[in-house]
Amino acid sequence: EIVLTQSPGTLSLSPGERATLSCRASQSVSSNYLAWYQQKPGQAPKLFIYGASRRATGIPERFSGSGSGTDFTLTISRLEPEDFAVYHCQQYGSSPRTFGQGTKVEIK
Amino acid sequence: QVQLQESGPALVKPSGTLSLTCAVSGGSISSNSWWTWVRQPPGKGLEWIGEIYQSGNTNYNPSLKSRVTISLDKSKNQFSLKMTSVTAADTAVYYCATDYSGGGSYGFWGQGTLVTVSS
Repeated sequence: EIVLTQSPGTLSLSPGERATLSCRASQSVSSNYLAWYQQKPGQAPKLFIYGASRRATGIPERFSGSGSGTDFTLTISRLEPEDFAVYHCQQYGSSPRTFGQGTKVEIK
Repeated sequence: QVQLQESGPALVKPSGTLSLTCAVSGGSISSNSWWTWVRQPPGKGLEWIGEIYQSGNTNYNPSLKSRVTISLDKSKNQFSLKMTSVTAADTAVYYCATDYSGGGSYGFWGQGTLVTVSS
């Protein structure tokens, strides 16, 4: 089973700042099948990035994903008020699929 | 646009069986897709429970495998989750999700349903 470790646990930033979220895998993620989801309170997760770097339909360009193998990053170039939420990474290259524990991006 | 809707009892007694159904609309459960269950205990992260392919092939989280069964009902365009011998640790919001038409990542999710295990 691939364990995903996200850091930091909480990121306190102001609107307009850059956010960098990390997701590290315990072993290489097959075919870079790594996704990022955004989740707001009381809502289901929403797919933002798949294949490590591909934006899902309708996701703004300020969101970008990068990385390969065991180290992946989600970057939000300039935080908008609606971006403050929890972000989960997930690998779907091998079974069992696994999620990281989440990173909360909060308003400073 | 594929839409998913979970349904089932909100309260289950300890040692009982949790049964949930996910109704699929706007798409066919016979498409080349994985149909998945994910849960989230209150205030915690997401946990992948398992998945079923349209062919009936299944994969389960090893930590839950002995208690979980996921099945398809093509006549009703829905899939289901059964979890036996539940305890308070199984209290969570349960989501169904799918990578509809392939890819592997979950582009479609149900709204989630809170299941509480308590006597």
